Amino acid sequence: DGGITQSPKYLFRKEGQNVTLSCEQNLNHDAMYWYRQDPGQGLRLIYYSQIVNDFQKGDIAEGYSVSREKKESFPLTVTSAQKNPTAFYLCASSPDSLTGELFFGEGSRLTVL
Amino acid sequence: GNSVTQMEGPVTLSEEAFLTINCTYTATGYPSLFWYVQYPGEGLQLLLKATKADDKGSNKGFEATYRKETTSFHLEKGSVQVSDSAVYFCALSRGRDDKIIFGKGTRLHILP
Repeated sequence: DGGITQSPKYLFRKEGQNVTLSCEQNLNHDAMYWYRQDPGQGLRLIYYSQIVNDFQKGDIAEGYSVSREKKESFPLTVTSAQKNPTAFYLCASSPDSLTGELFFGEGSRLTVL
Repeated sequence: GNSVTQMEGPVTLSEEAFLTINCTYTATGYPSLFWYVQYPGEGLQLLLKATKADDKGSNKGFEATYRKETTSFHLEKGSVQVSDSAVYFCALSRGRDDKIIFGKGTRLHILP
């Protein structure tokens, strides 16, 4: 089935460690996005990419990094510079920028111990 | 700038009650409007959308009408079920490579 796969679903990390969240899609979508979700704050955009080898910062990019080497993949690295990384992370893709419709993965919950 | 404001939750209703979740927006031009739903422990799913004024989006018994005069896109359902318990997000997009703007979400809890 076509869709977006995020892994791992749950992840624990010690302070000072970098961690990479995987996002893979087989929908042939050009655009991909990473959002962070915290209770009571809705979704905040971290990074987005509209084409391979190109990406832009969203509203809260500090402490995060991404790459887009393949159309299907958009991994997110949470670095040790991110001061409050415990959150639910959502990856999404979009067939084109005109519709504004997003398709989401099931999310990855990161907990810093 | 563009923004979406939706009613704060949680909203608690009994099964078969009528549901309204308010959403208003601020945007230049003519944005597309969306309602997404997030079930516990999952990502968001598109529930319905409307792309121009007076359009009505509908799905799974939910409806929302794009009201440009009141800049609103309120979500309604005539008879809710326990399975409708989720968080609902209103969103807008102007397309043309613009970022999608989400509201903060409204948690809905339906009692049997």
